[in-house]
Amino acid sequence: NAGVMQNPRHLVRRRGQEARLRCSPMKGHSHVYWYRQLPEEGLKFMVYLQKENIIDESGMPKERFSAEFPKEGPSILRIQQVVRGDSAAYFCASSPPILSSADTQYFGPGTRLTVL
Amino acid sequence: KQEVTQIPAALSVPEGENLVLNCSFTDSAIYNLQWFRQDPGKGLTSLLLIQSSQREQTSGRLNASLDKSSGRSTLYIAASQPGDSATYLCAASNQAGTALIFGKGTTLSVSS
Repeated sequence: NAGVMQNPRHLVRRRGQEARLRCSPMKGHSHVYWYRQLPEEGLKFMVYLQKENIIDESGMPKERFSAEFPKEGPSILRIQQVVRGDSAAYFCASSPPILSSADTQYFGPGTRLTVL
Repeated sequence: KQEVTQIPAALSVPEGENLVLNCSFTDSAIYNLQWFRQDPGKGLTSLLLIQSSQREQTSGRLNASLDKSSGRSTLYIAASQPGDSATYLCAASNQAGTALIFGKGTTLSVSS
């Protein structure tokens, strides 16, 4: 049973370009979460999605960032017009369709974004 | 707003020592409390999850406790080994169970 998959693992972009990060949840999971880990900082929650719905985007920056989880295919975190401050590790996690307090989130290996 | 703090930020111990990592949180209305391990350049591995109604969980040499009234959790590692060297992250789940609020972690180094 494959775990959470993220690609690419490393992404280099120049300032002003767009970054697209992909996440495929574990088989049978329909909830996806995105977190960002800035250098010397802890992981920060960004957004929580279910298929075709954004449930909680309270951690998303107001501009340039968007996320989707279409009916078919992976979840996408999109960063437009990247700036150097966007350089970070972006982690995706997934969880089963019915959440209980005993359920953890399963994390992918992360995408490390470097903005030149 | 929930805040999670971990002390110490870094810890170095010789192999075989028992050790305790500390985590504190400001809002006791949590869904659960989790401990993760992160190796350099890697993702997170879940170690232990304590539901809000529970007091502790154990897995092998690891034991985690939860005291909601004082806003504290501890991770106890018995008989530490060099392979335990990693960053340990504490995370409190928000009341809805939809987001994890992480501390900055404790980086553990176990020398042989």
